[in-house]
Amino acid sequence: DTAVSQTPKYLVTQMGNDKSIKCEQNLGHDTMYWYKQDSKKFLKIMFSYNNKELIINETVPNRFSPKSPDKAHLNLHINSLELGDSAVYFCASSQGQGPYNEQFFGPGTRLTVL
Amino acid sequence: AQTVTQSQPEMSVQEAETVTLSCTYDTSESDYYLFWYKQPPSRQMILVIRQEAYKQQNATENRFSVNFQKAAKSFSLKISDSQLGDAAMYFCAYRPDDKIIFGKGTRLHILP
Repeated sequence: DTAVSQTPKYLVTQMGNDKSIKCEQNLGHDTMYWYKQDSKKFLKIMFSYNNKELIINETVPNRFSPKSPDKAHLNLHINSLELGDSAVYFCASSQGQGPYNEQFFGPGTRLTVL
Repeated sequence: AQTVTQSQPEMSVQEAETVTLSCTYDTSESDYYLFWYKQPPSRQMILVIRQEAYKQQNATENRFSVNFQKAAKSFSLKISDSQLGDAAMYFCAYRPDDKIIFGKGTRLHILP
């Protein structure tokens, strides 16, 4: 019954590694997002996809590459992980673009880079 | 630049009392949406309430209500009859278009 799911929930890895976080939504939504919440709890949008097309690409290092194989999935791949990448990453989805569409968040993935 | 400011990093309220969380934002847009999200220790982001800027009437959801002052660019959240389950981080958010900008959050403690 989970609306927006993320795997894994916890990810601990070494600096320099490449890792992926997967996100899936079963709500039939067209738009999906990735957010980063840092250690001070500050939440910031990273990417947004609508119907598999990139809509928002905030100032994020190009080591971060989102991939949307279909409308229901938006995965986040991170190359050459750095200490500063440690954070909680949230996936979200909404019915469509536009500010009136409620966003539904996944449970978050806590990434720890050692 | 569009910003959202939550001036209270932490607040405490006695159970069953009322508490108000502050939020101000900066924008030159006339049409936008404002949100309050709750993030309990489980980490899940939960939408509490939202307000459309073109609506004068303040939004309410059960024990949660907002005081939206468009001219002052203020959007405070009032929680009535506070319950232990209300303990969480609360984020104010502003959304003029596809992007959404969050404040830095207010941690709310409920005292039994």
